[in-house]
Amino acid sequence: EVLLVESGGGLAQPGGSHRLSCETSGFYFRRYWMSWVRQAPGKGLEWVASINQDGNEKYYLDSVNGRFTISRDNAKNSVSLQMNSLRREDRGVYYCVRISGTLDYWGRGTPVTVSS
Amino acid sequence: DIHLTQSPSTLSASVGDTVTITCRASQNITNSLAWFQHKPGEGPSLVIYKASSLELGVPSRFSGSGSGTEFALTISSLQADDFATYYCQQYNGFPYTFGQGTQLDI
Repeated sequence: EVLLVESGGGLAQPGGSHRLSCETSGFYFRRYWMSWVRQAPGKGLEWVASINQDGNEKYYLDSVNGRFTISRDNAKNSVSLQMNSLRREDRGVYYCVRISGTLDYWGRGTPVTVSS
Repeated sequence: DIHLTQSPSTLSASVGDTVTITCRASQNITNSLAWFQHKPGEGPSLVIYKASSLELGVPSRFSGSGSGTEFALTISSLQADDFATYYCQQYNGFPYTFGQGTQLDI
């Protein structure tokens, strides 16, 4: 069974930093691109970032480019999202997602609140 | 960026009804379109990929159609478990983008 479990969500201050992690199991992790997708309260889904199998190709939503960094550890079957210079509009539930063609398996998400 | 216009934003229906949700892309994405079902407290789940391919384990009452810029998701004989929010998403290239969502209510 494919499982993706996010952790690290919580309260962060505007301008501060926060790191999300995603532990995966049930599939050969190093064969897949991985992504983060978020959902702000009362809003729709928004793709945030993706990383390729080796970690040397990354793509970001324009509004987070330069502030967020996606990374992966193929030895630990995990993917992370380092979020710096946080803004109130970065708040929401962050989902870890596997890419196989499209976004085929999702975690249950971890909530991030940005508030002083 | 490719913009997806999804309609309607809300849809009221009853068990047994057939409903259709549409998704229009701002440029040709061939068949690089997926549909997701999202219920509160859960991660979204893939329903349709490549515009019309049914994800394994998804009931056959779900069907997808379209190519290029015009797409649709049809749910036949609605069941109680189908009431959720549905999103289209394009994966023709980065940045991936989503439609605004359709909340399917009883």
